[in-house]
Amino acid sequence: NAGVTQTPKFRVLKTGQSMTLLCAQDMNHEYMYWYRQDPGMGLRLIHYSVGEGTTAKGEVPDGYNVSRLKKQNFLLGLESAAPSQTSVYFCASRTGLGSDTQYFGPGTRLTVL
Amino acid sequence: RKEVEQDPGPFNVPEGATVAFNCTYSNSASQSFFWYRQDCRKEPKLLMSVYSSGNEDGRFTAQLNRASQYISLLIRDSKLSDSATYLCVVPRGSGGSYIPTFGRGTSLIVHP
Repeated sequence: NAGVTQTPKFRVLKTGQSMTLLCAQDMNHEYMYWYRQDPGMGLRLIHYSVGEGTTAKGEVPDGYNVSRLKKQNFLLGLESAAPSQTSVYFCASRTGLGSDTQYFGPGTRLTVL
Repeated sequence: RKEVEQDPGPFNVPEGATVAFNCTYSNSASQSFFWYRQDCRKEPKLLMSVYSSGNEDGRFTAQLNRASQYISLLIRDSKLSDSATYLCVVPRGSGGSYIPTFGRGTSLIVHP
């Protein structure tokens, strides 16, 4: 039982490049979330999903897209990376069945030059 | 008023001290509250949840004051290993519209 995993752990991009961050969970959780965390800031919600095939915008969705084609995976895409997207990205999942606890992945550190 | 506010600190305390943090929230309809711990460059992990007036787990006590709309975290007999950032989480909505909202965190440094 690996919990929540994120791929890659680190990445450096040039402005304008694209990439996809993968989040995978093996706990059969319904809900999944993508956050970004910047220095001195709390976690800010980018997008979230309440189940396979569904996605919704969070607090800071601009410049990002997501997909949840399989229940266990939640992908975060950057179509044209900008320096303002330099951040640490955390994925989290939640069962939604009588528990509100979120389980986080180890994070992806992204630098956009 | 921000949805969830925390004093960023840092709170610098000696080992063995008792320290308390507060977290204020704006949504009076919130029913559940959480404290997460985040170590440097690591992911947040659940420390405590609060659904009614309070919760206690060993040296940690979380209390809820609905009238004043704040939750507190009390740490007794601080250990060096308690040094971390403590994040307050106040979700809004439920079911498919459940949105966790994080505070910016309170930094705790416990020194010898």
